[in-house]
Amino acid sequence: GAVVSQHPSWVICKSGTSVKIECRSLDFQATTMFWYRQFPKQSLMLMATSNEGSKATYEQGVEKDKFLINHASLTLSTLTVTSAHPEDSSFYICSAPGRLSSGANVLTFGAGSRLTVL
Amino acid sequence: ILNVEQSPQSLHVQEGDSTNFTCSFPSSNFYALHWYRWETAKSPEALFVMTLNGDEKKKGRISATLNTKEGYSYLYIKGSQPEDSATYLCAYLYSGGGADGLTFGKGTHLIIQP
Repeated sequence: GAVVSQHPSWVICKSGTSVKIECRSLDFQATTMFWYRQFPKQSLMLMATSNEGSKATYEQGVEKDKFLINHASLTLSTLTVTSAHPEDSSFYICSAPGRLSSGANVLTFGAGSRLTVL
Repeated sequence: ILNVEQSPQSLHVQEGDSTNFTCSFPSSNFYALHWYRWETAKSPEALFVMTLNGDEKKKGRISATLNTKEGYSYLYIKGSQPEDSATYLCAYLYSGGGADGLTFGKGTHLIIQP
């Protein structure tokens, strides 16, 4: 089945540095990638949607300049957390539109990236 | 803000026992309800998508029901096994919403004790 590979799975960085998270679709093309964030004991919250060949769309309250999203090809989407601060510490996970064997539309997720900013 | 609630937050079940847990969601403007299983350090995996009131879906020992009029879905696991240990997420999709319109619950963390 469709697989989304996400790296790194965890990263620790110093405050003020930038961190890049990559999501690759394996064996399928993803024209769209959704980026979610999950704080402890909270639900997955959509941050932004990346589309290959066009600008990403961001959810209300998500800083575009802080969370740079690039969808460079049909198999790669990246999220860069710029000038990271401790409050950006969270779990970030990507997903692409997929299908069940029944044909129903679902999300195919990466395994997530845990970011800790010191 | 759409309210999708899952209960209980966590659940310990003895191996071999059956269990169930709940997802409640807005009953208005409903389009679909998704269930995902999320094992630690792995990707969430889609289990079911349900759209019609009264829908029942089954995958092995796991089944789910849907009541769109009252806004709830149950997930049942029969004869729990250690490999069922995971967090189970439900997600509500409103009518007219695309894949970016899914609202997730916080999940039910299920631990199967041998």
